[in-house]
Amino acid sequence: DQQVKQNSPSLSVQEGRISILNCDYTNSMFDYFLWYKKYPAEGPTFLISISSIKDKNEDGRFTVFLNKSAKHLSLHIVPSQPGDSAVYFCAAGGSNYKLTFGKGTLLTVNP
Amino acid sequence: ETGVTQTPRHLVMGMTNKKSLKCEQHLGHNAMYWYKQSAKKPLELMFVYNFKEQTENNSVPSRFSPECPNSSHLFLHLHTLQPEDSALYLCASSHPGLGNEQFFGPGTRLTVL
Repeated sequence: DQQVKQNSPSLSVQEGRISILNCDYTNSMFDYFLWYKKYPAEGPTFLISISSIKDKNEDGRFTVFLNKSAKHLSLHIVPSQPGDSAVYFCAAGGSNYKLTFGKGTLLTVNP
Repeated sequence: ETGVTQTPRHLVMGMTNKKSLKCEQHLGHNAMYWYKQSAKKPLELMFVYNFKEQTENNSVPSRFSPECPNSSHLFLHLHTLQPEDSALYLCASSHPGLGNEQFFGPGTRLTVL
């Protein structure tokens, strides 16, 4: 049973536009959430995180939104750039320090 | 060298071979992790070490044997693997504690023939 779900395997956007990547979770014990980015032949790279006491966290072009009641989080990238093309993983953690990952969404930003 | 390094980057082995994967972190972290990533599946946590002690074994078959001699090094010893064990094996490290992000190595692409 997948506790962290990324229902869109892929997303394609135009350069300069907004990219919105979505993630849903089922375990209400998760209390912090992270987004990772992965290029081919490299390990995942940490992007941004948010704790359950917040509903928004912003870092440059990246913003993560958390809706606890809906058990949903999203990553917004504005403006999108071709170098953002990668697989994006959502991850969730709780008090046991373990991270549970989604399957990932492949983002393609077209010039 | 900085960050988390893994060797080898690619490994092909037969089912009767014994091999080891190595991970080294240069970040001063005290927690290290092994993950498995199979095609079209989420990253699966295999093992967690905190301060050299194993704190998590996520029901991993005994043909995978981890070793953590110190906080900077982590090994995964492999023996009598199956073809379905072919996957990308990722090592990560972090400061132990809630909310601390994990830093990943580039992974070892393992193929079992």
